[in-house]
Amino acid sequence: GAVVSQHPSRVICKSGTSVKIECRSLDFQATTMFWYRQFPKKSLMLMATSNEGSKATYEQGVEKDKFLINHASLTLSTLTVTSAHPEDSSFYICSARDEGGLVAFFGQGTRLTVV
Amino acid sequence: GNSVTQMEGPVTLSEEAFLTINCTYTATGYPSLFWYVQYPGEGLQLLLKATKADDKGSNKGFEATYRKETTSFHLEKGSVQVSDSAVYFCALSDRRTGANNLFFGTGTRLTVIP
Repeated sequence: GAVVSQHPSRVICKSGTSVKIECRSLDFQATTMFWYRQFPKKSLMLMATSNEGSKATYEQGVEKDKFLINHASLTLSTLTVTSAHPEDSSFYICSARDEGGLVAFFGQGTRLTVV
Repeated sequence: GNSVTQMEGPVTLSEEAFLTINCTYTATGYPSLFWYVQYPGEGLQLLLKATKADDKGSNKGFEATYRKETTSFHLEKGSVQVSDSAVYFCALSDRRTGANNLFFGTGTRLTVIP
């Protein structure tokens, strides 16, 4: 099946710094990728939809200036958490749909800890 | 709108017990339904799916049937193993309404003890 790779799997950063998370579709082209955030013992919350070659679409309540998304190619989307604070600590997961568009494949997730 | 409600858990079972995790949904269009599994420290993996009413998705001994009349997609397995311990998410996708993303339930943590 299709593979989505997310990197890094874990990152610890200091408060005020920025962190970039990469999401790659390894064996298919993904015009659309999705970024989710998962809070402890909670479900996944869609943050934004990343569209190749255009601006991302953010869900209500998600700060687009804080969570910068770039989808520069058909196989790569990046999420940058700018000026991170401890409350940004979370598990971030990306997904991409396969070329048929039905099934979403997920990256391994990134555990971000801001200290 | 679109939403998914699933049994909260946590669920603890002995090995070889029967598993049911309930999932019901609301949708404005014609959804496809999914079960995803998340093993400790990992991302989500697709477990099974069903795209229309009465379809049965199955994989690794797990099954779920898309019941339009009860708007349900309950996950079942006849005999669980310790390796099935994970968090299970029910989800829907409704492409006809243009909502290409997945809507998830809150997840159900399953622990299987030897």
